[in-house]
Amino acid sequence: AQRVTQPEKLLSVFKGAPVELKCNYSYSGSPELFWYVQYSRQRLQLLLRHISRESIKGFTADLNKGETSFHLKKPFAQEEDSAMYYCALSSGTYKYIFGTGTRLKVLA
Amino acid sequence: GAGVSQSPSNKVTEKGKDVELRCDPISGHTALYWYRQSLGQGLEFLIYFQGNSAPDKSGLPSDRFSAERTGGSVSTLTIQRTQQEDSAVYLCASTFTPGGANTIYFGEGSWLTVV
Repeated sequence: AQRVTQPEKLLSVFKGAPVELKCNYSYSGSPELFWYVQYSRQRLQLLLRHISRESIKGFTADLNKGETSFHLKKPFAQEEDSAMYYCALSSGTYKYIFGTGTRLKVLA
Repeated sequence: GAGVSQSPSNKVTEKGKDVELRCDPISGHTALYWYRQSLGQGLEFLIYFQGNSAPDKSGLPSDRFSAERTGGSVSTLTIQRTQQEDSAVYLCASTFTPGGANTIYFGEGSWLTVV
C-alpha cells in the first residue's frame, strides 16, 4: 500500500540548532516526493520537490531509495521556520498522498 | 483568479444540518482535489476531479458526503446530516497536470465546526 509516515507529531529545537524532519514512504514504483509547509494562518504551500534538488529557505531533502526516506533538513533553524510540515508522495497518475504532518517549533 | 479560493472560510453548523463548501480553482486547472485536515490525521484524500468527472471518490468517508464540479471549474462539497466527527478543515487543491512531479496548489480551507 502507498503510505507516507512522519513519525514525529511535534519537534522542538532551539534557534540556530540543526533540524531534521523525518519522512518515510511506502511505494512500489519510482516516487515523486514533496515537502509542503503551512505557516500560521496561511495556506498549505510547496516548500520543495525531490526532482528539483533545490534548497529553499535553507532546507534540503535527499531521497534515499534504500531506506525509503525523504527527510527534510536545515543546518541552522530560525524562528520563522516554525510551522506545520507535510511530506507527500505522488503516486504517478494523479494521487497525492500526505503524511500526518510534523509541527516544528523553533524556540528563541 | 490568483489562487484557489474557498468559501466559507468558517462555518459553524448544528448536528444534523447539511452544509455546502465551495472551491474555485486556479483558472485553467483541470484537476481538482478535496482533502480533509484534522488533528492527528494529517491530510486525508476525499475526491479527485478531472474536468467535471470524478474518477476517484474513494476517500469520501460515507454516503453523507458528495461532491460535484460544473463547467470544469467550481466544485461543491456537500455534507448531509452533519455529525460532530465531520468537524475539520476541508481543503481544496488544483493543478493543471496532475501526478508526477507537478505541484498542487491549495486554498486556505473551510473550517467546519459541528455543534
